[in-house]
Amino acid sequence: GIQVEQSPPDLILQEGANSTLRCNFSDSVNNLQWFHQNPWGQLINLFYIPSGTKQNGRLSATTVATERYSLLYISSSQTTDSGVYFCAVRGGKLIFGQGTELSVKP
Amino acid sequence: GAVVSQHPSWVICKSGTSVKIECRSLDFQATTMFWYRQFPKQSLMLMATSNEGSKATYEQGVEKDKFLINHASLTLSTLTVTSAHPEDSSFYICSAISGITTYEQYFGPGTRLTVT
Repeated sequence: GIQVEQSPPDLILQEGANSTLRCNFSDSVNNLQWFHQNPWGQLINLFYIPSGTKQNGRLSATTVATERYSLLYISSSQTTDSGVYFCAVRGGKLIFGQGTELSVKP
Repeated sequence: GAVVSQHPSWVICKSGTSVKIECRSLDFQATTMFWYRQFPKQSLMLMATSNEGSKATYEQGVEKDKFLINHASLTLSTLTVTSAHPEDSSFYICSAISGITTYEQYFGPGTRLTVT
């Protein structure tokens, strides 16, 4: 089956810093989603991005499907950005990476 | 739009009893719903996929008789954990897609089950 790898596994930032999270996948996929899981467990949809680049406020994402990776950019990070970021790819069913746990310190 | 709700948000039950968790798509019709399980500090693991009016498709290793899934309508799916044991304690999350205009998947807030 499709393998999804996220890096880094953990990230600690000072408030205001920028960061890039990476998602590599092993095979062609129909789509890719980025999620933020908040401390209460709710998964929040960030991007539905099978290819190309999208931006939403301080967050943006780029997927290069031909090279099988996606990047999530967080700029001017805030403490509320803390939590786990998952990418998930659909190759029939949605397969999740192991996540990046982000901690933003004030 | 695209809101998925779950009820209850947390439940404690005694070993040997059954627990039902409801998942509803509030503002769209869900052609397909999914149930995931998540252990602490781990990723989401797909348990089963269900389409309205059809039997659920379970992932390998998931016991069909223990985790009963019913997708009774285009807005409601239920997961019943039968004869629960402490090892069934986990965070259960449902998800849904419309599948008509998009295959973007939306997730409920999760249900934390503790079996004592």
